[in-house]
Amino acid sequence: SSELTQDPALSVALGQTVTITCRGDSLRTYYASWYQQKPGQAPTLLIYSRSTRPSGIPDRFSGSGSGNTASLTITGTRAEDEADYFCHSRDRGDQGLFGGGTKLTV
Amino acid sequence: QVQLHQLGAGPLRPSETLSLVCGVSGGSFSAYRWSWIRQSAGKRLEWIGEIIDSGITFYNPSFRSRISISIDTSKNQFSLHLNSVTAADTAVYYCARVYTNAFDLWGQGTLVSVSS
Repeated sequence: SSELTQDPALSVALGQTVTITCRGDSLRTYYASWYQQKPGQAPTLLIYSRSTRPSGIPDRFSGSGSGNTASLTITGTRAEDEADYFCHSRDRGDQGLFGGGTKLTV
Repeated sequence: QVQLHQLGAGPLRPSETLSLVCGVSGGSFSAYRWSWIRQSAGKRLEWIGEIIDSGITFYNPSFRSRISISIDTSKNQFSLHLNSVTAADTAVYYCARVYTNAFDLWGQGTLVSVSS
């Protein structure tokens, strides 16, 4: 089966911009979605269909991608954005596939 | 506002069956897919499987021989059964709603511990 690969950890200064990347063959066929998870909480959907934000998600979160890569960009990073971030896509046979997660330190 | 509420499980011994129920309240149950996802202590999320209100299921091949997901539309709930559990099945289990191939609503999570 396919895999989605993320950098295990990134750090960013307050107010700066950071991009979290997800790579995998399934992204050539299926859109990525992105999730934020804080300690002790369930994940929260940030981006779906590669670049669409659900209502209530701040516009400092944006999604993009092409080919086998999907990206989540946080602009004007805040302290509360410190969290784990996961990408997801579908795979062949309508399977679900998650990246390993990126721990973001602000 | 739609909410997902998980019930069931608790400490299990190896070879027992894990059973979880996810109840959906506050909104439409039909016309969505409903999913089970788990997260081990190493934090990686793992998709377990999904069900549509018609009862059609989609399973992760890693679990296919041990898993059953069912749905009860009259009660607005769906269930996960995973048999022959081992310590490797110790994880937090989440139910989630599928919207446009993403998981837009999540249950609160249930810690399932398998130990002899």
